[in-house]
Amino acid sequence: GQNIDQPTEMTATEGAIVQINCTYQTSGFNGLFWYQQHAGEAPTFLSYNVLDGLEEKGRFSSFLSRSKGYSYLLLKELQMKDSASYLCAVREKGGSYIPTFGRGTSLIVHP
Amino acid sequence: DAGITQSPRHKVTETGTPVTLRCHQTENHRYMYWYRQDPGHGLRLIHYSYGVKDTDKGEVSDGYSVSRSKTEDFLLTLESATSSQTSVYFCAISESREAGELFFGEGSRLTVL
Repeated sequence: GQNIDQPTEMTATEGAIVQINCTYQTSGFNGLFWYQQHAGEAPTFLSYNVLDGLEEKGRFSSFLSRSKGYSYLLLKELQMKDSASYLCAVREKGGSYIPTFGRGTSLIVHP
Repeated sequence: DAGITQSPRHKVTETGTPVTLRCHQTENHRYMYWYRQDPGHGLRLIHYSYGVKDTDKGEVSDGYSVSRSKTEDFLLTLESATSSQTSVYFCAISESREAGELFFGEGSRLTVL
């Protein structure tokens, strides 16, 4: 089984940088995903990490440390439209291969 | 955007009635999933399918059944709805088991009175 932990809520200021952390415990790690979900909408894929290090994609970056069971999503130059929930999901080796989702972090960006 | 449509998008029903939610995809993806999303719980897997007539249970499958008679359609049935099944239901698809990236439908909001 897996245990995934994320902060419930975060607030930040437009133009700033915010880091959303995700810690996990798993018996056989096989990848970590980040999704964005605006209120009332479907989750959309942001990033995937399976090896240690930083993956950059525009204003968003995702970092993984497998030895620490830790990932973060870094959002730069925050915009009001970045107000959303950010979901961390972890996949285990074997079994169904289907990622298990954390409870999500609600990010509020204010002017 | 991936071609996934869910129906109905909103439904209000009474305890004890049967309910069927439909997920239709135009991507010809092999894998299809049903999740429910509740405050404080995040997304939880109900059932998934890895091919026509091939389905398996997820984390919260009690009270739900599924069927997949065609590649493009995945049905979720609540045989006798209960108030605890009030939730937002999301269908998702993926090209392969290894791909991992899920494409989600817009969600179906179900209220059981």
